Amino acid sequence: GAVVSQHPSWVICKSGTSVKIECRSLDFQATTMFWYRQFPKQSLMLMATSNEGSKATYEQGVEKDKFLINHASLTLSTLTVTSAHPEDSSFYICSAPSRWDTEAFFGQGTRLTVV
Amino acid sequence: KQEVTQIPAALSVPEGENLVLNCSFTDSAIYNLQWFRQDPGKGLTSLLLIQSSQREQTSGRLNASLDKSSGRSTLYIAASQPGDSATYLCAVRGGETSYDKVIFGPGTSLSVIP
Repeated sequence: GAVVSQHPSWVICKSGTSVKIECRSLDFQATTMFWYRQFPKQSLMLMATSNEGSKATYEQGVEKDKFLINHASLTLSTLTVTSAHPEDSSFYICSAPSRWDTEAFFGQGTRLTVV
Repeated sequence: KQEVTQIPAALSVPEGENLVLNCSFTDSAIYNLQWFRQDPGKGLTSLLLIQSSQREQTSGRLNASLDKSSGRSTLYIAASQPGDSATYLCAVRGGETSYDKVIFGPGTSLSVIP
């Protein structure tokens, strides 16, 4: 069964609104979670590393004020796309490794469409 | 900074052929390497995980090898079937500056013709 649950699986929102995506580790505690974005016909690009109890680490070129990350507990990380624009439409997926030497588990992904 | 490349970008083969997908990475200090499959508009399906201490892993018609020192991995698919059509992604975890991040390659789009 799924060990990482991501919600919602798809969302449509109006330009200028904010959207929150949740990522939960179900069977283990994750002090670190990763957020990725995938544009059509492209690969997954790491956006940021979510750290429980401290600030997220953003990859170069990712706006931290636009993509707010909160790692509220050892099993939950949220990504909020603020003031969404059509160019933010993408597939967002989270990952939580249970240990450094195991496979990384991925959520089901969230398809965001901004109209 | 860890960089992952995959060759070829796209591949079209007739059903029944054996095929090889290639993955290269620049920082060999990885923890592990994982191969995924992604169907159009869908999430990721994990196929094989190879730890840095391992040379290969097998699952059914799939065999993945890892040569960490040269920064290469291959995914071998035997007797390909139309249902194998998908994008195959190579992902490496770890590296001297990447720590436990998982970095993806651009993927190989596979089409198996009946």
